[in-house]
Amino acid sequence: AAGVIQSPRHLIKEKRETATLKCYPIPRHDTVYWYQQGPGQDPQFLISFYEKMQSDKGSIPDRFSAQQFSDYHSELNMSSLELGDSALYFCASSLYSGTDTQYFGPGTRLTVL
Amino acid sequence: KNEVEQSPQNLTAQEGEFITINCSYSVGISALHWLQQHPGGGIVSLFMLSSGKKKHGRLIATINIQEKHSSLHITASHPRDSAVYICAVKKATDKLIFGTGTRLQVFP
Repeated sequence: AAGVIQSPRHLIKEKRETATLKCYPIPRHDTVYWYQQGPGQDPQFLISFYEKMQSDKGSIPDRFSAQQFSDYHSELNMSSLELGDSALYFCASSLYSGTDTQYFGPGTRLTVL
Repeated sequence: KNEVEQSPQNLTAQEGEFITINCSYSVGISALHWLQQHPGGGIVSLFMLSSGKKKHGRLIATINIQEKHSSLHITASHPRDSAVYICAVKKATDKLIFGTGTRLQVFP
């Protein structure tokens, strides 16, 4: 069965650069969640989208933005990168908001040098 | 105090042992997830519970809504079960609040 796809799997950037992370949900899933997991930390919720509209927002810095496109894939844009942004970024998808389990992608490991 | 607490934080076991990981939460939830994270970092959803008990292979998850408590049991543990097990709760909004995880190591 198709799973959540994230790209790239690994990304290395310099401070103050910009990064774009992509998430392709399971087919027919219309809800996407983004989580950030710092080294040795619990995953923290960043933002979610349902039917291309932002449905919830967590501890996402103003330097980050995200959107969900008409094909339900989502992109997390990160600007003015800081060393503290180095983390594993997970995307999860579910069928519709509130009632289905979330399926996680493999994550994108971002390293900011 | 974290909204989701897990115990123990670290657990070692011999192959074949019965393992229990506990999760307590302090907020109202619509569902609770048990997740498994391997050293490579990937997260796999094991169960989503809103009441009662679920079983999948050697894994059993239970939840007591009144007591705000859930347990994950692994029967006949195996070295390949070694991973971090994370309890995450879903509140009225859909985002997950994660527990601190339990690092399990099963030795042959």
